[in-house]
Amino acid sequence: AQKITQTQPGMFVQEKEAVTLDCTYDTSDPSYGLFWYKQPSSGEMIFLIYQGSYDQQNATEGRYSLNFQKARKSANLVISASQLGDSAMYFCAMREDGVGNKLVFGAGTILRVKS
Amino acid sequence: KAGVTQTPRYLIKTRGQQVTLSCSPISGHRSVSWYQQTPGQGLQFLFEYFSETQRNKGNFPGRFSGRQFSNSRSEMNVSTLELGDSALYLCASSLRLAGGLDNEQFFGPGTRLTVL
Repeated sequence: AQKITQTQPGMFVQEKEAVTLDCTYDTSDPSYGLFWYKQPSSGEMIFLIYQGSYDQQNATEGRYSLNFQKARKSANLVISASQLGDSAMYFCAMREDGVGNKLVFGAGTILRVKS
Repeated sequence: KAGVTQTPRYLIKTRGQQVTLSCSPISGHRSVSWYQQTPGQGLQFLFEYFSETQRNKGNFPGRFSGRQFSNSRSEMNVSTLELGDSALYLCASSLRLAGGLDNEQFFGPGTRLTVL
């Protein structure tokens, strides 16, 4: 069965510094996608970044990058140059290809950016 | 392009009642998925609809049901509400059924249901 583990319930980071949010996953399917979403206090889920299991390079989207280590089954999110607006809940999620768009989410990490 | 919309945004019901939530996907998106978010259980997949057919179902009791219309709009229904059904219900839409970076799921703002 699919499983996503986020071991950091909460993180603090100083404004303008980089922060890494951890995510490990478990699946027996060779084809899958990994996602990171941001959820501000308003509740809406905002897509940040995607990594496919066959992608050779780590995904990057602006200040977000995904440190994909397939052998270790980890997909850590790196946020560079943190901003106050980055304070939110962050979720790692996985979709196994071939079974629709069902996402399995981790428990999330609350990130607080300090000024 | 308009995003995913969900109505109503807030809802208060009492135990035993039923409720219907609505989701309008992004124009052109044909897949709609529903998720329940609670503090205790986190984000859990309810079901997915594509071309008016349920394609995937999560581990929820039969009180939770849904449907999709020909214009891809979707509704979910919860009958005989229980206190534990209080949650944020999120709807997400995608272009197609599966696969690829360009098939990411876009989420709506959610409906916050409170059961008293």
